[in-house]
Amino acid sequence: DGGITQSPKYLFRKEGQNVTLSCEQNLNHDAMYWYRQDPGQGLRLIYYSQIVNDFQKGDIAEGYSVSREKKESFPLTVTSAQKNPTAFYLCASSRDRSYEQYFGPGTRLTVT
Amino acid sequence: DQQVKQNSPSLSVQEGRISILNCDYTNSMFDYFLWYKKYPAEGPTFLISISSIKDKNEDGRFTVFLNKSAKHLSLHIVPSQPGDSAVYFCAASAQGGSEKLVFGKGTKLTVNP
Repeated sequence: DGGITQSPKYLFRKEGQNVTLSCEQNLNHDAMYWYRQDPGQGLRLIYYSQIVNDFQKGDIAEGYSVSREKKESFPLTVTSAQKNPTAFYLCASSRDRSYEQYFGPGTRLTVT
Repeated sequence: DQQVKQNSPSLSVQEGRISILNCDYTNSMFDYFLWYKKYPAEGPTFLISISSIKDKNEDGRFTVFLNKSAKHLSLHIVPSQPGDSAVYFCAASAQGGSEKLVFGKGTKLTVNP
């Protein structure tokens, strides 16, 4: 079954710690994305990557970092510099930027 | 500045009736529009899209209408089913979809049995 997996589904961290969220896809998609969703808000783009070893900042990249060493993997690190890290994080992929994006199940991160 | 607006945070309809979800946009460069459906604690799933060269696209019970002059699109669900209860996001992109997606804040649809 092709799809996007995100792990873990729930993640708890103490303030000041960096945390890495996993995103893997076996759809052979070139483009991958990270979004953040807050209550009552739409999805906001954090980072995106159109090809291996290349990525661009989205609208809210501050306090986050990514890597794209493999086509199928696009991990997101939430650093201690991110002021409000508690949120629902969604990873998505698409064949390329001209096609609809498919989303993973999300990771709910809680930082206390 | 919100470029994609879904002005109704919630909508409630009876099973079997029509659900109409609305979306307005301000950026005239947008030429590709999508609707996503999202259940709580899950990722959004793609429902239907429309290019600006069309004014209607249909897929089963779902139809999207685009009014470019009004910068308005709507999603019609007929007939509505309880399983359609979810949050629906409108999204838009420029340059045929190759630019980033801009999402609205969503409308929560409740279909009552």
